Formats: sequence, C-alpha cells, structure tokens
Amino acid sequence: AQSVAQPEDQVNVAEGNPLTVKCTYSVSGNPYLFWYVQYPNRGLQFLLKYITGDNLVKGSYGFEAEFNKSQTSFHLKKPSALVSDSALYFCAVRPYNTDKLIFGTGTRLQVFP
Amino acid sequence: SQTIHQWPATLVQPVGSPLSLECTVEGTSNPNLYWYRQAAGRGLQLLFYSVGIGQISSEVPQNLSASRPQDRQFILSSKKLLLSDSGFYLCAWGGLAGLPPYEQYFGPGTRLTVT
Repeated sequence: AQSVAQPEDQVNVAEGNPLTVKCTYSVSGNPYLFWYVQYPNRGLQFLLKYITGDNLVKGSYGFEAEFNKSQTSFHLKKPSALVSDSALYFCAVRPYNTDKLIFGTGTRLQVFP
Repeated sequence: SQTIHQWPATLVQPVGSPLSLECTVEGTSNPNLYWYRQAAGRGLQLLFYSVGIGQISSEVPQNLSASRPQDRQFILSSKKLLLSDSGFYLCAWGGLAGLPPYEQYFGPGTRLTVT
C-alpha cells in the first residue's frame, strides 16, 4: 500500500536554531512531493514541491526540502526557526498520473523564544 | 490568480438535520475538486473528489454525499447529520492527473459542530 510517514508527532526547537521535519514515503514510480503548513482554524497552505530536477527545493517563508530518492525521504528544513513558524506541517505525495494526494499524519512544530 | 471559497465558515447543527457546504473556485477551469475532513486538528481524510461535472468518487462510505453541478462548484451534503460528522471540512482544487498544477490548493475550511 502507498503511504507517507511523518515519524514525529511534535518537533520542538529554539528560535534561531535550524529545524528539520521528517517525511518518508512508500510509493511506486516517481511521485510528486509536497509540504503544507496549517495554522489553527485555517486551511492548508502550500509551501513547496518537488517534481523533477534539483533535489533541493526552496519554498515560501525560507523553507526548503531535500529529496532523497534512495532513502525515499523528503525532509523539510529551515536554517533559522522563528516563533511564527509554530504550526502543523503536512507532507504529501502524489503518485505519477493520479488524481489524489496521500498525506502524512502531520507534525506539530513548536518554536520556543 | 486562482482563489477558492468555502461557506459557511462555521456551522452548528443539531443531530438529524440536513447539511449543505459549498465550495467554489475562481480563475481556473476544469479543475479536480476535493472534499476532506479533519478531526481534532490532525490528519486529513479524503471524502470525495471530482474530475469533472457530475463525476464524483467516494473514498469512504459514510453519511455524506457530494455533487458537482458546475465546473467550479463542489457541494457536500447530508440528509441527516450524526454527532460523528463534526469536524473541520476542507475543499481543495488541483490539476487533472498528469497535468499541472500537481499540488492542491485549499480553501479556508468550514468548522461543523453537530450537537
């Protein structure tokens, strides 16, 4: 079965420190990969995507993600965390030539001042 | 640019009452449309998706139904609400299989509380 795993329910980081939110996937073929952020009582906001090309993709608000095909991972990173980055983050995968996204269960990021 | 609207933003309904949530998209044509439910601020559950007018795929058997009467309109309905229908309902749009945009864009959501 195709799936996406976000192994950490919560990630805590101090403001100014680098952050990583992990995502691994199990999907056949060459999927498209995405990260979304959700603030309380809001819809999901698209952050970034990997379709093809350079393994390091940059997105909104200073976030970036690295695609690793051999490890089937797509970890979200930011060099210096802000308190305002505190939110719920979702990794998603779209198998090639399909209509649906497969979402991970989400990771809550807490950035402490 | 494209925008997606959902209404109402919040809704409190008694058990057994009907439901109608509406989603509309502007600035694009022939989008895929999706309804998700999110319980307790956590994981997303895909309820329905549509690749065209009148074409609805149901992902989870339940008390809800969906319709797409127009290209950019997607409606989520129920004839009789259950307590378990409470949650945060999100509408999204994206490109057709194999076509951009490959990502989905989400509306602001509707918070439904069934009492």
